[in-house]
Order: sequence, then C-alpha cells, then structure tokens
Amino acid sequence: DQQVKQNSPSLSVQEGRISILNCDYTNSMFDYFLWYKKYPAEGPTFLISISSIKDKNEDGRFTVFLNKSAKHLSLHIVPSQPGDSAVYFCAASGRGAGSYQLTFGKGTKLSVIP
Amino acid sequence: GAVVSQHPSRVICKSGTSVKIECRSLDFQATTMFWYRQFPKQSLMLMATSNEGSKATYEQGVEKDKFLINHASLTLSTLTVTSAHPEDSSFYICSASPLAGDYNEQFFGPGTRLTVL
Repeated sequence: DQQVKQNSPSLSVQEGRISILNCDYTNSMFDYFLWYKKYPAEGPTFLISISSIKDKNEDGRFTVFLNKSAKHLSLHIVPSQPGDSAVYFCAASGRGAGSYQLTFGKGTKLSVIP
Repeated sequence: GAVVSQHPSRVICKSGTSVKIECRSLDFQATTMFWYRQFPKQSLMLMATSNEGSKATYEQGVEKDKFLINHASLTLSTLTVTSAHPEDSSFYICSASPLAGDYNEQFFGPGTRLTVL
C-alpha cells in the first residue's frame, strides 16, 4: 500500500516556465512533508519542506503548497532552469509513522528544455 | 555543514561474499541513521533505522541476518550485506539525523552502488 504517491513519473517543461510537481498521501498521521532532488547515482538533496500547520512555504524559486483536506501537496519551480532537470521525490513523516522515518513517493523525473 | 559520506561509492563482488558499507556524518553527531535501498526507477525504500548503541529496527520484509547494521558511534553506521546474491544488487543510501536537530531532519549520503556477480 503506497502511502505517498507521485502519479506522474515524468514531466517536461520549457525553460523559464513553471514546473508543478504533485504528490498525494493517504496517511493522516503524516505531519511534515519534504521535497528532495536526486541525480542518478547520487543521494537525495533536500529542497524544501512544509509542516502540516502551514499551507505554503516559499524558498527562492521553490514553493510548496499543502492542501490537508485533499491530502495533496505540490512543488512549484518558477522559473524553471535546465539545471533543475532531475528526479524529484516527495517524502512524508509523522510521529504516528515513527519519529524520523520518511516515506517516499516513487519520484517524478523533471526535464527542463532549454 | 551537515555532510554525510558513504564508502565505498561503488563495489562489485562475487556471489556468496560479504560487503560492508560505511556511512559517516562528517560534521555532526547523529543519534539516528537510516539505510535505504533504491531499485531502478523505484522509490527509496527504508530498510532499517539504527540508533547509536542499540539494535537496529528493521522494516517488514528486510532480513536482519542478511543486512547487518552496526551503529557503534555517533558518527558511524555500517551496513554489511552477508552472503550477497545478484538480487542484492542495488543502490544503497544512508541518511543521518542530527543529535540536536529537528526530528524531521535527515541528511543523505551519496549512495553506494552494489553489483553482485
């Protein structure tokens, strides 16, 4: 049973446009959400996170939106750059799920076309 | 800051041998370290959680006797794949949670590519 879902395995966006990556979760105990960027054969790099008490968190070109009632979050990248091309993982954690443990989605491969 | 290293980055071994992978937090102390496994085009799957000085907690379906985890100090955890077989070939990634950090913080190592022939 997949508790964190990223239903789009891939996404292509033109340079300068907005990239929107989506993530859905099923476990109501999750209270913290994170986005990671990953290149092949490397470990994930933390991008941005959001607590369940907020509905938006912004850091430079990256903004994460959380809709708790829909159990949905999204990562917006504006403007998209070729260097943003990577696989993006959504992850969730919660005290009910066990402190410190992260549950990952399957990832979305973003390709930013110059 | 918050750098996690893994060694080796890549290892090829024969079936039946054992392989040890080290995970080190270089500039912070980590009470908790995690081991993940990633198959091609799949998500990161948590294998086990290790706390310094105590036994690791394994996820369901992960064989404790096959994947031995030792977290002997606040900066080092090791994963030993015993009697490795080709199906153990994968990308293994560790992460570490700082001693004084937010419980949600995890810093990831660069990963180790294991190929079992």
